[in-house]
Amino acid sequence: NAGVTQTPKFQVLKTGQSMTLQCAQDMNHNSMYWYRQDPGMGLRLIYYSASEGTTDKGEVPNGYNVSRLNKREFSLRLESAAPSQTSVYFCASSDLGQGDQPQHFGDGTRLSIL
Amino acid sequence: KQEVTQIPAALSVPEGENLVLNCSFTDSAIYNLQWFRQDPGKGLTSLLLIQSSQREQTSGRLNASLDKSSGRSTLYIAASQPGDSATYLCAVIDSGYALNFGKGTSLLVTP
Repeated sequence: NAGVTQTPKFQVLKTGQSMTLQCAQDMNHNSMYWYRQDPGMGLRLIYYSASEGTTDKGEVPNGYNVSRLNKREFSLRLESAAPSQTSVYFCASSDLGQGDQPQHFGDGTRLSIL
Repeated sequence: KQEVTQIPAALSVPEGENLVLNCSFTDSAIYNLQWFRQDPGKGLTSLLLIQSSQREQTSGRLNASLDKSSGRSTLYIAASQPGDSATYLCAVIDSGYALNFGKGTSLLVTP
């Protein structure tokens, strides 16, 4: 019963470094999402992938890129990390057809940019 | 842009009390509304999903209601327990696929 798995769980970067956050789901879901959670701001959508082969920008996409590698995996890349990207990042997945299917979340990646 | 508001921001109750958490949203054209629970340092656990055509959903001691026309939802927790202590998040899907989240209600149930 893995559900949505995110790696790494914690990471500290220096300004300007790059890294990729990995996400995989084993529920055969079509849609996958990346959110960030900041104190006082709630969760905000960075990018999403409605189905394999498609990606779309969310509310806060600047500074990020994504890759939908296959149906299971959806990665988030920071090309040149900035202190403003210090946050907790959550990956989620759901079945296509948003009316009756809940989104399932991973445990998050806690990222600090120094 | 959809705005989701949760009141109160924090709540402390003694064990055994029944309680209500409130969620309001500005655009009533939603597909569904979800209530989540988040424990400190953890991810989100989906508690209840109410489709736009439904009025309420129940799971154990939890009952969520939806009034689309007034842009409101409530989460009712019966006979609260210390294990219910967590942050409760409300989120709606209107257009597109993404959830629009409120900032949450932090609940503390004291023994």
